Amino acid sequence: DGGITQSPKYLFRKEGQNVTLSCEQNLNHDAMYWYRQDPGQGLRLIYYSQIVNDFQKGDIAEGYSVSREKKESFPLTVTSAQKNPTAFYLCASRPTKNNYGYTFGSGTRLTVV
Amino acid sequence: AQSVTQPDIHITVSEGASLELRCNYSYGATPYLFWYVQSPGQGLQLLLKYFSGDTLVQGIKGFEAEFKRSQSSFNLRKPSVHWSDAAEYFCAVVIISGGYNKLIFGAGTRLAVHP
Repeated sequence: DGGITQSPKYLFRKEGQNVTLSCEQNLNHDAMYWYRQDPGQGLRLIYYSQIVNDFQKGDIAEGYSVSREKKESFPLTVTSAQKNPTAFYLCASRPTKNNYGYTFGSGTRLTVV
Repeated sequence: AQSVTQPDIHITVSEGASLELRCNYSYGATPYLFWYVQSPGQGLQLLLKYFSGDTLVQGIKGFEAEFKRSQSSFNLRKPSVHWSDAAEYFCAVVIISGGYNKLIFGAGTRLAVHP
């Protein structure tokens, strides 16, 4: 079945270390998104990409970086510059010609200690 | 600025009671609107969506939502709540700007259900 895979489900890192979260989709979707979720703040957009080799900053991009070298993959790196990285991270994708056909992964919970 | 507001952070209802969760959006063009539900530690499940046509939209699990352009609202309703409906609910709107399409969420409403 087609879908979005985010792995691992739980991730632990020491403070000051960079960490990369994986997001892979086999839906042949062009657009991909990364969201961060914190209690009481909903989901906030970190980065998004509509085609390979192109990506845009969302509302809270500071301390994060992404790449889009392949259509099916959109990894998110949480750098040491992110002041409060502990959160739940959700990846999503959408076919370009469909303005509302978003599909979400099951998320990765990152804990930085 | 384009945004989504969910005025109620927490709502508690008794099982069997009716439910209405409020959502207001700020967006100049015709909106694509969504309601999602999230159980603890889980991803998002789409309840329903609106982008045109009948302003009363039926979704899964017995939920419905009504789009009111004059009030910039898209409130979610259910006539009789079940204990399994306890979860967090998010309203969202698609923003299309500069050729880019992104989904913007409200802060969420956490629903508790008393037996």
